[in-house]
Amino acid sequence: DTGVSQNPRHKITKRGQNVTFRCDPISEHNRLYWYRQTLGQGPEFLTYFQNEAQLEKSRLLSDRFSAERPKGSFSTLEIQRTEQGDSAMYLCASSPSLYAEDSNQETQYFGPGTRLLVL
Amino acid sequence: AQKVTQAQTEISVVEKEDVTLDCVYETRDTTYYLFWYKQPPSGELVFLIRRNSFDEQNEISGRYSWNFQKSTSSFNFTITASQVVDSAVYFCALSEGANGGSQGNLIFGKGTKLSVKP
Repeated sequence: DTGVSQNPRHKITKRGQNVTFRCDPISEHNRLYWYRQTLGQGPEFLTYFQNEAQLEKSRLLSDRFSAERPKGSFSTLEIQRTEQGDSAMYLCASSPSLYAEDSNQETQYFGPGTRLLVL
Repeated sequence: AQKVTQAQTEISVVEKEDVTLDCVYETRDTTYYLFWYKQPPSGELVFLIRRNSFDEQNEISGRYSWNFQKSTSSFNFTITASQVVDSAVYFCALSEGANGGSQGNLIFGKGTKLSVKP
């Protein structure tokens, strides 16, 4: 069973450019989360999918950010018109649905992240 | 409001010393879940443990042990006989129960950087 994978691992872009990241969750995990981590901080929640439905977005997710999970498998996170403040590590996590009584107790398994640097 | 506080920013120990990483949380939910993750220099978050709010039993796994105390809202992590490979940033995280409307996103502390010197 392979873990969560993310591509690319590193991305350097110029301010104003668009970037897209991909996350492939663990097979059959129906929940998928995106987080952002800046230097010296813990990860902060961005958005969450249950299968293909995007169920929640954080206030951190400005209108320049969009995420999709078209077939309930892989997900993409796009940032349009990047700004220097977008420089961070973008982490993806997935979790199964083993606990019918409360899926929030599921362990989230993280990918290696995509490190974005906006010049 | 939900919050996780890891007051220790950095800890440095010598190999074979025991070390305890503190975690204090705030939540209004009666059902919640606590986690510890390890982030080595490679960057990938590695799951260590999950604890449910209604299970206050302490847990030991090899050199790792966890002390959960609801009375003080703490979920501390102890590494016994530390090794150089334990050097990493350790994060404590909180997830609230679905009945409270949470979608299960994790709320992380700022992490504690542990350096174990040979």
